[in-house]
Amino acid sequence: DAGITQSPRHKVTETGTPVTLRCHQTENHRYMYWYRQDPGHGLRLIHYSYGVKDTDKGEVSDGYSVSRSKTEDFLLTLESATSSQTSVYFCAISGNGEAFFGQGTRLTVV
Amino acid sequence: AQSVSQHNHHVILSEAASLELGCNYSYGGTVNLFWYVQYPGQHLQLLLKYFSGDPLVKGIKGFEAEFIKSKFSFNLRKPSVQWSDTAEYFCAVGGNQFYFGTGTSLTVIP
Repeated sequence: DAGITQSPRHKVTETGTPVTLRCHQTENHRYMYWYRQDPGHGLRLIHYSYGVKDTDKGEVSDGYSVSRSKTEDFLLTLESATSSQTSVYFCAISGNGEAFFGQGTRLTVV
Repeated sequence: AQSVSQHNHHVILSEAASLELGCNYSYGGTVNLFWYVQYPGQHLQLLLKYFSGDPLVKGIKGFEAEFIKSKFSFNLRKPSVQWSDTAEYFCAVGGNQFYFGTGTSLTVIP
């Protein structure tokens, strides 16, 4: 498996609180991505990064922000969590044209 | 806009039956095509990929896929499925971003 670590793996949080998910890679890949996976929707891109401090929005970016201060770390922040953001979040990295995925973070907003 | 369509949402087969999962895409640039598999409770893993060359690509575990440019299709096939193939299958198209279909859930009955 590619060297991708997501933390935490599981989290329960209350509506209105900020939440930060972390993705750490050891592959030195340029591109990193955050997806959410929901039944009936497949994987939808939230944000992605193409280098340190270079990020762009995906198709479902509202309510999320990201930061990448180092090549190896890509953070996803839910500024004020809502129940609609209950989901499984996957980080991915891209090298040689294919994507490699982390183990996922299951987030529940109550 | 880029998009990926998977025609079958849920497929149920008996062991030894043949499998074909449909995938059509819409993409404006050079096409890199992928099939990923997600076993229950796990992250996505690459089954096979097409970048260029022979349109019939072979992947792991006996899977193959055929790229038909004129039909914008990249269908996944396996001649004889096993119970262990029970999983969710995602078609994806990628460049700098990756776009996924909504997935096909495959259940193989022993």
